[in-house]
Amino acid sequence: GESVGLHLPTLSVQEGDNSIINCAYSNSASDYFIWYKQESGKGPQFIIDIRSNMDKRQGQRVTVLLNKTVKHLSLQIAATQPGDSAVYFCAENKYGGSQGNLIFGKGTKLSVKP
Amino acid sequence: GAVVSQHPSWVICKSGTSVKIECRSLDFQATTMFWYRQFPKQSLMLMATSNEGSKATYEQGVEKDKFLINHASLTLSTLTVTSAHPEDSSFYICSATGMNYGYTFGSGTRLTVV
Repeated sequence: GESVGLHLPTLSVQEGDNSIINCAYSNSASDYFIWYKQESGKGPQFIIDIRSNMDKRQGQRVTVLLNKTVKHLSLQIAATQPGDSAVYFCAENKYGGSQGNLIFGKGTKLSVKP
Repeated sequence: GAVVSQHPSWVICKSGTSVKIECRSLDFQATTMFWYRQFPKQSLMLMATSNEGSKATYEQGVEKDKFLINHASLTLSTLTVTSAHPEDSSFYICSATGMNYGYTFGSGTRLTVV
């Protein structure tokens, strides 16, 4: 299940199950979104991105869904593996990703139980 | 793919001393570099944006005289934490973008000020 800690929500799933990580973004003008995976003590690692002219994009074992009406983004991980355990951040940009900085969401810690 | 090298990966310094962190784009020209700070169990917070050959633009609340940023070439940006104090202890992460290259992150630098 999902719980909210002092700063970082945590999602615990069983190995092999599907994971859904949610993100509410802040700026209605944002038109480019990225999901990052961050392992302890490392920098963010790109997972998948999506532009605002799409509502769904699929990668290998991952799917990103975008709902602009409610400013919501989700990351679905199929057949979650122990190696997926990490903190996941959504990030937004209002210039199509061509310039400007990324604004990061709060993050969700994914814990995969073997 | 694009690679950003950040050095050192960790550093311990005495209070009152200065520390320099380097961020290099290895296989592309980084026209813009971003510096983030991340406290434990929190998200990445943008400190400043630097364009090659220009002065960095700092986010509100970030002291430009304390966090000196230099982006003198298209492959190197440095962040110098001057007169470091224990409250500056954090995880510092750089990110670089360039023509046809999206946001690529370094591996981060763990700074501990004692």
